[in-house]
Amino acid sequence: GESVGLHLPTLSVQEGDNSIINCAYSNSASDYFIWYKQESGKGPQFIIDIRSNMDKRQGQRVTVLLNKTVKHLSLQIAATQPGDSAVYFCAEKGYTGGFKTIFGAGTRLFVKA
Amino acid sequence: NAGVTQTPKFRVLKTGQSMTLLCAQDMNHEYMYWYRQDPGMGLRLIHYSVGEGTTAKGEVPDGYNVSRLKKQNFLLGLESAAPSQTSVYFCASSYGPGNEQFFGPGTRLTVL
Repeated sequence: GESVGLHLPTLSVQEGDNSIINCAYSNSASDYFIWYKQESGKGPQFIIDIRSNMDKRQGQRVTVLLNKTVKHLSLQIAATQPGDSAVYFCAEKGYTGGFKTIFGAGTRLFVKA
Repeated sequence: NAGVTQTPKFRVLKTGQSMTLLCAQDMNHEYMYWYRQDPGMGLRLIHYSVGEGTTAKGEVPDGYNVSRLKKQNFLLGLESAAPSQTSVYFCASSYGPGNEQFFGPGTRLTVL
């Protein structure tokens, strides 16, 4: 069935190191993928997205990689800062008789000073 | 711009009580959504709207009703609250179905 999952529920990194958060998806029809950041007590906030016709997209300190062959998505955060501590969600969207967004459960990122 | 706002922020209900959650957006978005977020689970879509006067069921619509009388507002109603509806509710909006969604700060609802 359709699912978006995360390999690790928590990730702990040292401040200044790079972080990599992984996500697997199962719907081959998905053509749009999004990463969200959710800080405690707040709503999800868009970080970066990528369309299925791309395999890499870069933003400010963040990079999303898409591997359609193995249905894998990753978010890389460069020089991780304490302010990056949050839960990160991946989401997939595709048209299957209607647009539907499927959200993963999230990975909690802890940044150690 | 305020973006997406939600009221109230917190609410405690007794089983069987009713309430309405209000969502407002000032981005002139056509699409609006209501999600619930439960521990260890991804956001699940309750209902959504593709424009003023329209609503549609999402993944978990039972026990909820919605209305979109004005483009900027999307109301979520619980007619007879149940403990299983204890959750954090998020409203979101987007320009179109393939565009990023902007989320509100959430409403934490507890049903006793």
